Formats: sequence, structure tokens, C-alpha cells
Amino acid sequence: GAGVSQSPSNKVTEKGKDVELRCDPISGHTALYWYRQSLGQGLEFLIYFQGNSAPDKSGLPSDRFSAERTGGSVSTLTIQRTQQEDSAVYLCASSRTGQLTDTQYFGPGTRLTVL
Amino acid sequence: AQTVTQSQPEMSVQEAETVTLSCTYDTSESDYYLFWYKQPPSRQMILVIRQEAYKQQNATENRFSVNFQKAAKSFSLKISDSQLGDAAMYFCAYIAPFGNEKLTFGTGTRLTIIP
Repeated sequence: GAGVSQSPSNKVTEKGKDVELRCDPISGHTALYWYRQSLGQGLEFLIYFQGNSAPDKSGLPSDRFSAERTGGSVSTLTIQRTQQEDSAVYLCASSRTGQLTDTQYFGPGTRLTVL
Repeated sequence: AQTVTQSQPEMSVQEAETVTLSCTYDTSESDYYLFWYKQPPSRQMILVIRQEAYKQQNATENRFSVNFQKAAKSFSLKISDSQLGDAAMYFCAYIAPFGNEKLTFGTGTRLTIIP
């Protein structure tokens, strides 16, 4: 596609439920990133994929968070047993190769609200 | 650990005037990249300008320019001839080799353009 797309745009869920957030990177981009933006905060790194592997999962805040990427393209971020502090905007970005010289292009994000 | 600080939560400027947004960062690396991203209400982060630390010349993109002071670890963004479409959150970000290609962001500055 022309840009990074994310779905859903907004998600409201009840505490304790599981949610899945989807990211479609720019076609041909091998690197994919997930960030979280809490209210009034900057973006916080969650996880980085190079192809299908995730060399850096250091930003995942707890074992309730997991992510996968299949076919070197679409990625899914899963949050199990959601809690109110998980409410945030989840942003996905992709870059052509993951090298420092590559620009990271962001999607419009998914706003997650946990009631 | 690398940190990025934006000390101005909010700024405002009259249309057609010039405004400067501040950013400082802390790093022990000598080679790194700095960025300014714009986030309008649509939530999509858009790259405004980037600066490579080994380049002494300040980056410029049309009405946007930076003042990069490596010794002071300062990276400010100047917006000239401000336009209504410049209204957004502006985030300063940093990336370095061996940082697993993740961007470290400041907390952002909300820029309001006064007609």
C-alpha cells in the first residue's frame, strides 16, 4: 500500500479482555516497529521486527503483551487480560531495511480504551 | 541510557511569524541521528526534518530548519512563516547505532498557530 495502515482505528474494551491490534507496513519494508503513546507522554518503544524475527522485545511492558509478524509483512500486537493502564495510542512504523539511515514511516495508530 | 527532553509542553505563534521549539538530549554516543516529527490531530507521525550528528551543517527543509549544537546536546527546530497547517504536536527523537534501531522520543510540544 501507499503507507502504513493500522486497524482498528479505535478499540474500546473491558478490563480483562484480550485485544489484537493489526499493522500493515509499507510494501517491501523489512523493518517494523511498535510504539505506545500514553496521554501526555512521548512515544515508548515496544518491539522491533526484522523480517519475521523480533531481535528486540525489550520494550514490551509485561508478559501480557506479545507480537508476531508473519510472511515478513503484517504484524499483530496482542494484549491479554487488558488493564486500564494499557489505554493508549498504539503506533506502528516501518522502514525499508531497518538501518539507521532509513526513515521510519508511521501509521495513524490504534486508540485503545480499557474501561 | 539515552534521554530526550522537550521543556516546552505548549507554544503558540502568530501566523506568518517564526517560532523555535527546544530539544535537548543525553547520550554517550558520538554518531547518531536526530529527528523532528509532527503529529497532527490525525495522529499520524510525519517526519519534518533529520540531522546526522557527524554533519556540522544544520539541516533545512523549506520553512523548517534546525540549530544543532552537538557539544551542548541541543537540537532546536525553527519554523519560519508559520502557517495554520503547522499546528500540531512536535516530537524530537533520537536514534543511535546499537540502539536496536528504536527511536527515543521526547514528550512533545503542542504548537498552536494564532490567526
